[in-house]
Amino acid sequence: SAVISQKPSRDICQRGTSLTIQCQVDSQVTMMFWYRQQPGQSLTLIATANQGSEATYESGFVIDKFPISRPNLTFSTLTVSNMSPEDSSIYLCSVEARLYLADYNEQFFGPGTRLTVL
Amino acid sequence: QKEVEQNSGPLSVPEGAIASLNCTYSDRGSQSFFWYRQYSGKSPELIMFIYSNGDKEDGRFTAQLNKASQYVSLLIRDSQPSDSATYLCAVGARYALNFGKGTSLLVTP
Repeated sequence: SAVISQKPSRDICQRGTSLTIQCQVDSQVTMMFWYRQQPGQSLTLIATANQGSEATYESGFVIDKFPISRPNLTFSTLTVSNMSPEDSSIYLCSVEARLYLADYNEQFFGPGTRLTVL
Repeated sequence: QKEVEQNSGPLSVPEGAIASLNCTYSDRGSQSFFWYRQYSGKSPELIMFIYSNGDKEDGRFTAQLNKASQYVSLLIRDSQPSDSATYLCAVGARYALNFGKGTSLLVTP
């Protein structure tokens, strides 16, 4: 399986500041995904990040607010810019990988970053 | 907007009973379907996937898919208190997954 780590695990930030979340995978993967899970809600895809190209953002999410970097096949960052209390959420990094001899791709999730904006 | 719908619950079942979780989806072209379990404060973990119409069994879990009716279900037999969690239905999209809001399951001793 793909082992994913995220930093920080949690943070409390002031309104108007920015936070960069790091995601590290223990193997090379083509596609990495960033999701948001607001309190009591399901996961919402923010963007898909491929190495060497611009991230693809979902409706309702823009690069100025959530810039993403993908410098190599094992690492990505998501920045939450100019934060407001509405950005308080869990942010999850995810990768798609195929286990040995499996006939399907599985999506693995990192432990998440719990962000609180005051 | 491609929707994945689930009853939010909570669904409460006694220990040893069968828990039945349901999910409907709007995109008729969807090909892959997943059930994730999420414990409070933890990340989702995959417990079942299904691609073809019919039933797929794995231990105490059975996934059922009916593409004509656009619904997916998950049955948990011999439910245990440790099964208490939120179960997320996910439908494969072009690159990532569309998730439902999840059904909270509570298995009472």
